[in-house]
Amino acid sequence: QSVLTQPPSASGTPGQRVTISCSGSSSNIGSNTVNWYQQLPGTAPKLLIYRNNQRPSGVPDRFSGSKSGTSASLAISGLQSEDEADYYCAAWDDSLNGPVFGGGTKLTVL
Amino acid sequence: QVQLQESGPGLVKPSETLSLTCNVSGGSISNYYWSWMRQPAGKGLEWIGRIYASGTTNYNPSLKSRVTMSVDTSKNQFSLKLRSVTAADTAVYYCARFSGTYTGYIDYWGQGALVTVSS
Repeated sequence: QSVLTQPPSASGTPGQRVTISCSGSSSNIGSNTVNWYQQLPGTAPKLLIYRNNQRPSGVPDRFSGSKSGTSASLAISGLQSEDEADYYCAAWDDSLNGPVFGGGTKLTVL
Repeated sequence: QVQLQESGPGLVKPSETLSLTCNVSGGSISNYYWSWMRQPAGKGLEWIGRIYASGTTNYNPSLKSRVTMSVDTSKNQFSLKLRSVTAADTAVYYCARFSGTYTGYIDYWGQGALVTVSS
């Protein structure tokens, strides 16, 4: 059982915009910033969004993040086949004194 | 470009100790927190703990009684020991770097090391 809640799956067609939600509590998302990771099959997670809405160098601006209260979301616009992956949200948890993750959302490009 | 590489036995017997080392290249191990995560097959990510370059640690309470992390700044590497393992500890283990503030974010990951607990 993951501390942060994500939908297990999402899907879209090429060119479409999809969003993935992440719900937490006051001890994590409510009081700390949210980060998003993309995990392609058989590879390590890759940082996609940090501090709620910042993109590391090299991440396309098709990816964007937002946060409101104890929830956050990742939006992917202009969906491409190579976006098919698992996406994880994460945030520091003040009770755990460590990071917590969502259970992951498997994105399928139809 | 910082790179991390895990190394260690891929098979550990039940009740024994899992030992992994992460070698950091392309940057200094100083001034950062370094972390271990794991991911059972088909499941999500779990934080195990982290260590600062000075040796300060904080561990996931659920694993704290079995975990020890250490750092060797002269070799630019850090290590994980997980005692009394069971089949439930079978997972891909990742080492990673924490950036930003104390409550920052993980920006670099190792490629992962599959550790299987089996007799």
